[in-house]
Amino acid sequence: NAGVTQTPKFQVLKTGQSMTLQCAQDMNHEYMSWYRQDPGMGLRLIHYSVGAGITDQGEVPNGYNVSRSTTEDFPLRLLSAAPSQTSVYFCASSEQGATEAFFGQGTRLTVV
Amino acid sequence: DQQVKQNSPSLSVQEGRISILNCDYTNSMFDYFLWYKKYPAEGPTFLISISSIKDKNEDGRFTVFLNKSAKHLSLHIVPSQPGDSAVYFCAASVIGFNKFYFGSGTKLNVKP
Repeated sequence: NAGVTQTPKFQVLKTGQSMTLQCAQDMNHEYMSWYRQDPGMGLRLIHYSVGAGITDQGEVPNGYNVSRSTTEDFPLRLLSAAPSQTSVYFCASSEQGATEAFFGQGTRLTVV
Repeated sequence: DQQVKQNSPSLSVQEGRISILNCDYTNSMFDYFLWYKKYPAEGPTFLISISSIKDKNEDGRFTVFLNKSAKHLSLHIVPSQPGDSAVYFCAASVIGFNKFYFGSGTKLNVKP
């Protein structure tokens, strides 16, 4: 009964490094999304996908790439990490047209 | 500009009393509203929701009220318990579009 699984839980990067945050769900949900949580800002949508092969930008997409080759996986790539990307990242999934989203436990990323 | 706002970053309540958390939104297209609860080091979990065709929805100790004309909703917790201490996020969406817009959160502390 895994739900939404994110790896890693913690990561420290140096400015300019790249990395991929992994997200997998086992609920066969069509819709997946990435959020970042910053103090005083709440959860802001980075990218989302309505199904395999289809992705789109959210509110704060700059500096991030996504792809969706399978229903289960939705990785988030940081191309060249910047200190402004220090945040807690949450992946979420939901059924198409659903009224709630299920969240992973988050990845705490620090860029130094 | 944030479309969903929670203007109280924190709230402290005595155990057994009522907790009232408030949320305002600006986009009149939103027709579905949710509250999520988040404990430290965990992902947000769904708590309660309300559709715009209703003005009240109850689930045990939790009640959400919606005032569409004021673009305002509130979450009432009665009676409050120490285990309710968490960050509460308000979210809004347009049904069928799976994109959720979150407020900045209110940290509730219920004192024993």
